[in-house]
Amino acid sequence: DGGITQSPKYLFRKEGQNVTLSCEQNLNHDAMYWYRQDPGQGLRLIYYSQIVNDFQKGDIAEGYSVSREKKESFPLTVTSAQKNPTAFYLCASSPGETQYFGPGTRLLVL
Amino acid sequence: SQKIEQNSEALNIQEGKTATLTCNYTNYSPAYLQWYRQDPGRGPVFLLLIRENEKEKRKERLKVTFDTTLKQSLFHITASQPADSATYLCALVPDSNYQLIWGAGTKLIIKP
Repeated sequence: DGGITQSPKYLFRKEGQNVTLSCEQNLNHDAMYWYRQDPGQGLRLIYYSQIVNDFQKGDIAEGYSVSREKKESFPLTVTSAQKNPTAFYLCASSPGETQYFGPGTRLLVL
Repeated sequence: SQKIEQNSEALNIQEGKTATLTCNYTNYSPAYLQWYRQDPGRGPVFLLLIRENEKEKRKERLKVTFDTTLKQSLFHITASQPADSATYLCALVPDSNYQLIWGAGTKLIIKP
């Protein structure tokens, strides 16, 4: 059953803590993306990767980091430098023009 | 500045009627534009893509138009059903690198 998965569904971060959001796809897509969604705003691009071992910053990369060691996996780390991390995080993969999204992870700050 | 705008107010439509959602953009010359559906707490799902040289695209009860002169796309759902209630997002590709620029979405509510 092909698709894109994200875990966990909910994540709680304590102040000063780094947390990692998982994103896995078995669609054999080269490109993967991380977005942040806040109420009343469009999706904003955090990082993207068009090929293994390569990634680029999006519009709001500060306070985030990623890795792309495998084609299937594109984890996102929210570092303590991100002062306003509460949001809905969406991972997507793409074979070209359209994007396929995971179910999202909601990050909350304790 | 470059902007992509969708009506932020929810659109309430009676079941069976046609729902029309608007996406306006400024200062872009997009290669193509896409529409996605998003249900609460879930990721967006791709619906339709329309290219700059296409005026209209259809898929079942869905129709998208693209007017590059007006810098506007319209998304229509005919014979609307309560199950069509969701937030609809438009996204455009400003150039050939496949990065999407997203509108904030319009919430559509279909009343029985």
